[in-house]
This record gives sequence, structure tokens and C-alpha cells, in this order.
Amino acid sequence: KQEVTQIPAALSVPEGENLVLNCSFTDSAIYNLQWFRQDPGKGLTSLLLIQSSQREQTSGRLNASLDKSSGRSTLYIAASQPGDSATYLCAAEDLNFGNEKLTFGTGTRLTIIP
Amino acid sequence: DAGVIQSPRHEVTEMGQEVTLRCKPISGHNSLFWYRQTMMRGLELLIYFNNNVPIDDSGMPEDRFSAKMPNASFSTLKIQPSEPRDSAVYFCASSFLASGYDYGYTFGSGTRLTVV
Repeated sequence: KQEVTQIPAALSVPEGENLVLNCSFTDSAIYNLQWFRQDPGKGLTSLLLIQSSQREQTSGRLNASLDKSSGRSTLYIAASQPGDSATYLCAAEDLNFGNEKLTFGTGTRLTIIP
Repeated sequence: DAGVIQSPRHEVTEMGQEVTLRCKPISGHNSLFWYRQTMMRGLELLIYFNNNVPIDDSGMPEDRFSAKMPNASFSTLKIQPSEPRDSAVYFCASSFLASGYDYGYTFGSGTRLTVV
């Protein structure tokens, strides 16, 4: 059974700093790895999706990397802004066509201090 | 597209009552997922439909929970009878999944259920 872990559970950094969020998963037989953002009281917004054949994806100030062999993914946020404050969740999708499902980590709550 | 639409946004009900949560997926998506989010357990997959057929319901906590997808544009999650421990935010998500490609998931805004 896939298990996804995110450390730390919470992180506070001053505005303007670059930061890295970590995600690890136990079963490397994944179809893809996805990063989501969740604002308080809101749903999840998809940020980046990395296919298992890829090593990284970039969108604006966000860069996500994937190392299947070590069971790790990182989300890099450049030049952080107060608007980046949210909970970030990673999710691994099982490599099982016909029964695809995401297993989520418990998230990292990020606070950017102005 | 208006995205994944869930109703109601908030539901407060008394223990023992029946609760029905509704979801309209994105048009053209062939997969629909129901998730439950709590502080203690995070996001848990309850059930997954592909082409309106339930594929995996191993996450449904017990017989009090049931889900249906009568057509490609509508799904319901029903709890009968409801209990206080069912209080959580319930999310619906949809996606288009095909062999060799995954377009990613779109989540609805969720239904916050409180059972008193």
C-alpha cells in the first residue's frame, strides 16, 4: 500500500526567500506525482503534474522534481510571496491502469512572512 | 467550463439523518473520485468511478456510505444514518484518464458536513 509523507508539517519563511517542500513515497511504481495547493476552507488546486518518465516540471516560480528510485519529490518555490501562503499537498498516482487513484500526503502548511 | 460543482457547500444535520452530497464533474471527464478530508486522517479516497462504473470502493468506511453515478454528469454520495464521526469535508474530483495519459485532477470546492 502506497504511503506518502510530507515533512515538515509546517514552515514559515520571510518573504522573498526561496524554499523547498519535500515529499516521499514508499512505492516507486507510480504513474505520476502531483502537487496541489489548498487555501483555508477551499478545495485543491492542481499546481504541477510530473509523469513517471519525467524528472521535473516548471510553472512560473514553481519547479517540481521527481526521483522515482529514491521515492522523493520536491517542490521549489522561488522568491516567495505572501500569496504563496497555503497548504501544499503532494499525491502519488498508482501505476495501475483501470484503477488509478491518488494517495495524498498530509501536507505542508506554508506561511510567508511579509 | 465551471469546473467540478458540488452541492451543498455546507450541511449541518442531526445524528441519524440521511445526508446526500452531490457532484457534477467536468464535461468530458471519464473518471470521478470522492474524497474525505479530516484533520486527523488527511485526504482519504472513498470511491472511484470510471465511465460511470465503480472501480474501487475499498475506502468506503462502512455500509452506511453509498455512492452512485447514474450518468456521466452526476454523482451522489449518501450517508444513512449519519453519525458525528462522519463530520468532515467531502471533495469530489474528476479527470480524464486514458491508456498512457493522465490529464490531471480537478477538485470541487467541497461540502463541509457537520453531524450533531
